[in-house]
Amino acid sequence: EVQLVESGGGLVQPGGSLRLSCAASGFTFSSYAMSWVRQAPGKGLEWVSAISGSGGSTYYADSVKGRFTISRDNSKNTLYLQMNSLRAEDTAVYYCAKVYQLPERKGYYFDYWGQGTLVTVSS
Amino acid sequence: SYVLTQPPSVSVAPGKTARITCGGNNIGSKSVHWYQQKPGQAPVLVIYYDSDRPSGIPERFSGSNSGNTATLTISRVEAGDEADYYCQVWDSSSDLVVFGGGTKLTVL
Repeated sequence: EVQLVESGGGLVQPGGSLRLSCAASGFTFSSYAMSWVRQAPGKGLEWVSAISGSGGSTYYADSVKGRFTISRDNSKNTLYLQMNSLRAEDTAVYYCAKVYQLPERKGYYFDYWGQGTLVTVSS
Repeated sequence: SYVLTQPPSVSVAPGKTARITCGGNNIGSKSVHWYQQKPGQAPVLVIYYDSDRPSGIPERFSGSNSGNTATLTISRVEAGDEADYYCQVWDSSSDLVVFGGGTKLTVL
């Protein structure tokens, strides 16, 4: 059974930093790309970042580019999101999601999601 | 950047058919995926690759995609289907993922 468990959320001041983790189990972690998706309170889903299975390729939404860094440790089956220069608008539940890649550059979707971790940016 | 447009809300009586649309420029050329999210829960994939259902998703859920509109259809709607529904695509021009704004399905 696929399980994704996020941790590391909490209250942080504007301009501060936080590192989220996502512990994965139930599948061959290194074979799959992974992603972070967030949801601000009462709002819709917003894709944040993705990383290839090897970790060699990373992708970011414009809203977080230059401030957030996605990474993974395949020896620990763990995905990370380092968040720096946090802003009030980064307040959200952050979900870790397993990526299923379609062939022939048809893109990808998210077949499994964690329960999320809440990040609150406030003074 | 690519934009997906969903109606904010759709209402339907139990036993009837609900149709939730997702509009985008030439969306028929892209693969569309749909997620269901109930209050306080993580999203769940209900349709992928326009019209395929993951295991465990009832046959009442179906999808289609053509032209500028993709549609999620829920037949014989039940009270338990009440949730927010999001469409999602991958924009090949930017290599980024795009979600629609979400549609709240209310079962009357």
